[in-house]
Amino acid sequence: EAGVTQSPTHLIKTRGQQATLRCSPISGHTSVYWYQQALGLGLQFLLWYDEGEERNRGNFPPRFSGRQFPNYSSELNVNALELEDSALYLCASGPRGGYGYTFGSGTRLTVV
Amino acid sequence: DAKTTQPTSMDCAEGRAANLPCNHSTISGNEYVYWYRQIHSQGPQYIIHGLKNNETNEMASLIITEDRKSSTLILPHATLRDTAVYYCIVRVLFGANNLFFGTGTRLTVIP
Repeated sequence: EAGVTQSPTHLIKTRGQQATLRCSPISGHTSVYWYQQALGLGLQFLLWYDEGEERNRGNFPPRFSGRQFPNYSSELNVNALELEDSALYLCASGPRGGYGYTFGSGTRLTVV
Repeated sequence: DAKTTQPTSMDCAEGRAANLPCNHSTISGNEYVYWYRQIHSQGPQYIIHGLKNNETNEMASLIITEDRKSSTLILPHATLRDTAVYYCIVRVLFGANNLFFGTGTRLTVIP
């Protein structure tokens, strides 16, 4: 069984640009969670999608947004990139109700 | 909203048991204790979870105090590959919530 896959593995963007990160959940999982982990820091919750809808949002500005597609895959979009957006972005998936998270390996975003 | 407190770092000799403590004094009756670990900026890996009874799986044991205000993750025979940041999290089993990670405990297994 394939795990949670994230793409791209690495992404380099210039300040002010937009970044799009993708996540494919484990088959059968309907929930997708996004986390940000800046270098040396803990994981900060960003967004939770379930059944195509945004269910909860962490304390991040509106330029962090996303969506979930009918096949339950998800995109995280970060607009107007700032240097401090440089971080490892982790996606996790879980079955309906949220029990049993599985994380992907992450996308490392570097803003220069 | 960190609901748990853990030591910042710990060392353990290779082959010995690693005991990682976690305080969760405000835990609710329907909240479970989960443990994850993160090895060098990979995605966090699920280890074990429990409600009030002690739990054991192939990776670790989880000991929860009777009042459920604290717990200990035990890696019975630590190896160098167990060097990681270990996160203790409390959450309900089902429902509208998310995993809130604190800063965790950085365990270093020493040869």
